[in-house]
Amino acid sequence: GESVGLHLPTLSVQEGDNSIINCAYSNSASDYFIWYKQESGKGPQFIIDIRSNMDKRQGQRVTVLLNKTVKHLSLQIAATQPGDSAVYFCAENGEGAQKLVFGQGTRLTINP
Amino acid sequence: SAVISQKPSRDICQRGTSLTIQCQVDSQVTMMFWYRQQPGQSLTLIATANQGSEATYESGFVIDKFPISRPNLTFSTLTVSNMSPEDSSIYLCSVAPWQGGSTDTQYFGPGTRLTVL
Repeated sequence: GESVGLHLPTLSVQEGDNSIINCAYSNSASDYFIWYKQESGKGPQFIIDIRSNMDKRQGQRVTVLLNKTVKHLSLQIAATQPGDSAVYFCAENGEGAQKLVFGQGTRLTINP
Repeated sequence: SAVISQKPSRDICQRGTSLTIQCQVDSQVTMMFWYRQQPGQSLTLIATANQGSEATYESGFVIDKFPISRPNLTFSTLTVSNMSPEDSSIYLCSVAPWQGGSTDTQYFGPGTRLTVL
């Protein structure tokens, strides 16, 4: 079946450094991918998305890269801040165009 | 993005009872979804709430356990029936405008934290 997974469950970086969170997906039919940030006690917050006709998309301090050849997705956060500490989830639309399949999540900790 | 609220924000319930969770959106949306997030884990889709018809459930979830209503384009409820401690989770609703065609972004509510004793 389809699945979305993450390479690392936890990631610690120094404040001001760049961070990269990785995600592997298995369903080659997925054509929409999205990253969410979930802070403690809150619901997931949309960060950035990308469709399969693109390989890179940039937002404010964030960049998503999509490599369809190896079915890999990454989220880059530039100049990390304490407020970036959270769990980050990737998701793909899988077999249903409107349904999302979520990865396991990576906990990002920013060290002062 | 839409403003989404959920009630209650948290609850502690006794086993064998039922809890109804409400999800309210400040604008009309086409798609509404209900997810479960077990402690320390990722999100799993329970069902798609369809306006004016029965919800579409994912594998492993059934209507008798998780009845869902969606009377209009801004409101939905999820009931967790005959609860057991294994139902202790965060329950999240999400919405997507979906104008047709490709997938649209889903936006999440704050979640309802349920503890079953």
